[in-house]
Amino acid sequence: ETGVTQTPRHLVMGMTNKKSLKCEQHLGHNAMYWYKQSAKKPLELMFVYNFKEQTENNSVPSRFSPECPNSSHLFLHLHTLQPEDSALYLCASSQLTGGQTDTQYFGPGTRLTVL
Amino acid sequence: AQTVTQSQPEMSVQEAETVTLSCTYDTSESDYYLFWYKQPPSRQMILVIRQEAYKQQNATENRFSVNFQKAAKSFSLKISDSQLGDAAMYFCAYRDNYGGSQGNLIFGKGTKLSVKP
Repeated sequence: ETGVTQTPRHLVMGMTNKKSLKCEQHLGHNAMYWYKQSAKKPLELMFVYNFKEQTENNSVPSRFSPECPNSSHLFLHLHTLQPEDSALYLCASSQLTGGQTDTQYFGPGTRLTVL
Repeated sequence: AQTVTQSQPEMSVQEAETVTLSCTYDTSESDYYLFWYKQPPSRQMILVIRQEAYKQQNATENRFSVNFQKAAKSFSLKISDSQLGDAAMYFCAYRDNYGGSQGNLIFGKGTKLSVKP
C-alpha cells in the first residue's frame, strides 16, 4: 500500500455512458496526477494539480474532465469515450515544496474498458 | 524534449542470481532525478530506488542498486539475489529538477522481469 487509493478498480462502460474515477491520497501531499497506461506504451501524463489548481493538461481530449475539490481527492469524469480510451488509469501524488516536487506515489489504478 | 529508453522489453533471471536492467535517457539539463519503479502484476506501482544527478555515488536500497553514468546518460538497475517476488514490470523514469514542468515524470516503456525458481 502506497497511501493512494483508487475506485473503482475495474470499470466497463459503453461509449455513451458517463462515469467517474476517484482517487484519494492519505499522505498529506499537495500535488496529484492522472496518468494513462496503455499496453506497450510509456505512461502518459494527463493532468497535474498543485494545491487544487490544474497546472498541466497534456492535450487530453475534452471527453476527460478532471476535478480536484481538495488536496486529498482527485476525480476523472468520463463521457462519450472511445474504445481506444481503454487502458489502466493511474493516480499519483507528491509533495510540492519550494517549487520542487518530491517522489510520486501511485495508486493501484482503474482498469477501464470501453465497449 | 527529454526521452527515456528501455531497450529490453523482457528479461529473465534465475532465483538467487543477479540481473541488470538497462535504461538510457536524453536531456540537455544537468540537474535532474532518475527513478526505477516496479509494477507487479495487478498491483500498485512502487518506487524501487531514486538517484539525484548531482550525486556521484550510486544509490542502493538493500538488494537493489544502480549504475549511474551521467556522461553516458545511462541508469541501469541491478537486482542481486533475485527473489520470486521481484517478478514485475520495471519502469525507468526521469524528472527535471526545476519547477517549470512541475517535476513531471517521463517514463520508459518498461522491462518485464521474470524470475525462474
